[in-house]
Amino acid sequence: GAVVSQHPSRVICKSGTSVKIECRSLDFQATTMFWYRQFPKKSLMLMATSNEGSKATYEQGVEKDKFLINHASLTLSTLTVTSAHPEDSSFYICSARDRRLNTEAFFGQGTRLTVV
Amino acid sequence: AQKVTQAQTEISVVEKEDVTLDCVYETRDTTYYLFWYKQPPSGELVFLIRRNSFDEQNEISGRYSWNFQKSTSSFNFTITASQVVDSAVYFCALSETYSGAGSYQLTFGKGTKLSVIP
Repeated sequence: GAVVSQHPSRVICKSGTSVKIECRSLDFQATTMFWYRQFPKKSLMLMATSNEGSKATYEQGVEKDKFLINHASLTLSTLTVTSAHPEDSSFYICSARDRRLNTEAFFGQGTRLTVV
Repeated sequence: AQKVTQAQTEISVVEKEDVTLDCVYETRDTTYYLFWYKQPPSGELVFLIRRNSFDEQNEISGRYSWNFQKSTSSFNFTITASQVVDSAVYFCALSETYSGAGSYQLTFGKGTKLSVIP
């Protein structure tokens, strides 16, 4: 089946630094990718929808200047957490949809971000 | 607005028991899609099933079965003869819209943590 690769799987960074998370569709073209955030023992909350070649659509309450999303190609979307704070520590997970398939979406392995 | 409710926060069963995970959804659309995902401790989401709103046939896949009841807006998931490897958090999700442009969003329930005790 289709594979979505997310990198890194774990990252620890210092407060004030920026962290980039990559989401790649390995064997299909993804016009749309989604970024989710999951707090411990909580559900997945959609942060933004990333569309190839255009600006991302952010959900209400998500700071677009803090969570920069770039979807420069049909196989890669990146999420950059800028000026990270400890409260940004969370599990971030992306999903990508194969545009040939009807509504199917595949998820990356997730990235556990810890800001110290 | 769409909403997915998984009332069971945590369930514990003894190995080989059957267990049903409940999912109730709300949507105004007549066309929608329902999903179940499994999230093991490692964190990745594993796709289990997708069901569209026009297909009310129940589905069985090995030890897994799904009961879609449109009349009660429920899409329950049953694991028969549970195994320790089934221990995970299970999420039910709803996609309300599929547009021709190819984008859609998933609304997740809060998840049910299943623990299968040997």
